[in-house]
Amino acid sequence: NAGVTQTPKFRILKIGQSMTLQCTQDMNHNYMYWYRQDPGMGLKLIYYSVGAGITDKGEVPNGYNVSRSTTEDFPLRLELAAPSQTSVYFCASSGQGRKLAYNEQFFGPGTRLTVL
Amino acid sequence: QKEVEQDPGPLSVPEGAIVSLNCTYSNSAFQYFMWYRQYSRKGPELLMYTYSSGNKEDGRFTAQVDKSSKYISLFIRDSQPSDSATYLCAFSTSGTYKYIFGTGTRLKVLA
Repeated sequence: NAGVTQTPKFRILKIGQSMTLQCTQDMNHNYMYWYRQDPGMGLKLIYYSVGAGITDKGEVPNGYNVSRSTTEDFPLRLELAAPSQTSVYFCASSGQGRKLAYNEQFFGPGTRLTVL
Repeated sequence: QKEVEQDPGPLSVPEGAIVSLNCTYSNSAFQYFMWYRQYSRKGPELLMYTYSSGNKEDGRFTAQVDKSSKYISLFIRDSQPSDSATYLCAFSTSGTYKYIFGTGTRLKVLA
């Protein structure tokens, strides 16, 4: 199993450009998440999904969009990139355990994005 | 008051030292307490998780939870240079799949 994979690893965008960050998991997990990590700020949840066709906003959704058409894929779309979106982006997934039980989140290797 | 507070470090210790990493939290609804380790330029990976107050041990690592004080700790015994990483605490409430992360503490173990 590859786990959670993300592409690209690095990207430089110009202000106003758009791009899609790809995320795929092969663990048949229902839940998927997108985080951004800025220096000294920890991980902030952007969007999450509880299953194909169902997505919801996290803590910092402005400037981003997501879709979830399959269990495996959860792409993150940046429209009109801004310097404030310079960050490292992590995708994660977790399985559906027993109700009220803990579900470990598995993280991808990250995408380093710079907006100039 | 922030929901989770974690000293960002960096923390530098000699090889073999005992390391103590800590987080405080304000949300009494948190029931799951996790520690993730993140090596430089990598994604976080789960190190330990606990559900209740008390201690949980796994090899050189011990996770401690004090719900009455809203305080969690991670102890690393006989620290190794390979333990050099950023350690993030994470919390979640029962019945949810969302985590709240601390800002992370950068640890450097010197050979």
